[in-house]
Amino acid sequence: DVKVTQSSRYLVKRTGEKVFLECVQDMDHENMFWYRQDPGLGLRLIYFSYDVKMKEKGDIPEGYSVSREKKERFSLILESASTNQTSMYLCASSSHLTSGDYYEQYFGPGTRLTVT
Amino acid sequence: GEDVEQSLFLSVREGDSSVINCTYTDSSSTYLYWYKQEPGAGLQLLTYIFSNMDMKQDQRLTVLLNKKDKHLSLRIADTQTGDSAIYFCAESSSGAGSYQLTFGKGTKLSVIP
Repeated sequence: DVKVTQSSRYLVKRTGEKVFLECVQDMDHENMFWYRQDPGLGLRLIYFSYDVKMKEKGDIPEGYSVSREKKERFSLILESASTNQTSMYLCASSSHLTSGDYYEQYFGPGTRLTVT
Repeated sequence: GEDVEQSLFLSVREGDSSVINCTYTDSSSTYLYWYKQEPGAGLQLLTYIFSNMDMKQDQRLTVLLNKKDKHLSLRIADTQTGDSAIYFCAESSSGAGSYQLTFGKGTKLSVIP
């Protein structure tokens, strides 16, 4: 079974702190993603990576950065946490699409971050 | 860009059928997907349909695709309390070296015992 794990289920941080969210996958997937999920807004893509040391901005990258030093690990960094970054953060991974195949992303359980 | 729309809430009685609707804009999507998110968990792929199909049935699940109207629906027969979850419609697109999914906002299904 594919497993995507996230370092914390719940996290409480203070405004201005630097926050690291870690994600690890065990299926040798090339692609990894960070989303945030907010009620009424659904999932919004923050950053993704399709290879080690590669990163691409998603729809809402402002206030976030990422790091992918190893294939299995993708970190989301909040340089200076703010209250509007209180949210559920979901990590996902996928393999490269094989022509004609359907495409699946595998999700971790999420980290609920509260910034006070 | 791509956009996926779905209603936010649906409430049904246990044993009834649930129908969750979705509209999408990217006509080049090869597959369309339904993901399920149970309380306190991440999303999990529930089912998918190839774009040249009209219907796909899998046990209690029926997916209908109207490509002309860009309308996708998920029907759950004999809905159970365990089906209470958020259901996301999604389409895939390619770009920047990777495939991505564009999700709708999710429909929260509440099943009343």
